[in-house]
Amino acid sequence: EDQVTQSPEALRLQEGESSSLNCSYTVSGLRGLFWYRQDPGKGPEFLFTLYSAGEEKEKERLKATLTKKESFLHITAPKPEDSATYLCAVPDWGKLQFGAGTQVVVTP
Amino acid sequence: DVKVTQSSRYLVKRTGEKVFLECVQDMDHENMFWYRQDPGLGLRLIYFSYDVKMKEKGDIPEGYSVSREKKERFSLILESASTNQTSMYLCASSVHREASGYEQYFGPGTRLTVT
Repeated sequence: EDQVTQSPEALRLQEGESSSLNCSYTVSGLRGLFWYRQDPGKGPEFLFTLYSAGEEKEKERLKATLTKKESFLHITAPKPEDSATYLCAVPDWGKLQFGAGTQVVVTP
Repeated sequence: DVKVTQSSRYLVKRTGEKVFLECVQDMDHENMFWYRQDPGLGLRLIYFSYDVKMKEKGDIPEGYSVSREKKERFSLILESASTNQTSMYLCASSVHREASGYEQYFGPGTRLTVT
């Protein structure tokens, strides 16, 4: 069965302290990898889709990259408003298989 | 902008009641999904639908049913609510593209408490 694993489970950062989140997957014939942001008590908000190794996408302080086995979400100079749980997901025959998420807390 | 709306943000029901959760999307998406999300268990797929009147079981369909009479509306039904169905319920929709993956867009969620 396809697996999606995210690490670390939780990350505590000081404002301005850049870091990276990891999403590793075991799927045959990747048909896309998705990143979401989820704030407490709300639904996940779509961030990025990556389709091929070497692809990069950016949005404000976030940059997502993709290799053949994993994806990274880089947070550059984070601010407290970047605090959220970040989820990655891969397609699985019409469904999405989600990782467990990385909870990011950015303190002033 | 894709808009997925859910009928209630918070709901409190008693054990044994029949519960309806409604989801509406305004982007003419073919696919719709119902998930539940619990601490430590992540997002789990309950049911999904590729088209009107079609439904497919997800990973945890027991105790639930669904209805899709119109393309834009997907309902989740708890036939007889139990306390272990207390959870956050999330609806999502996506376009249907055979050749590649497709991102899902989520509603705000319904926090259901069964007492």
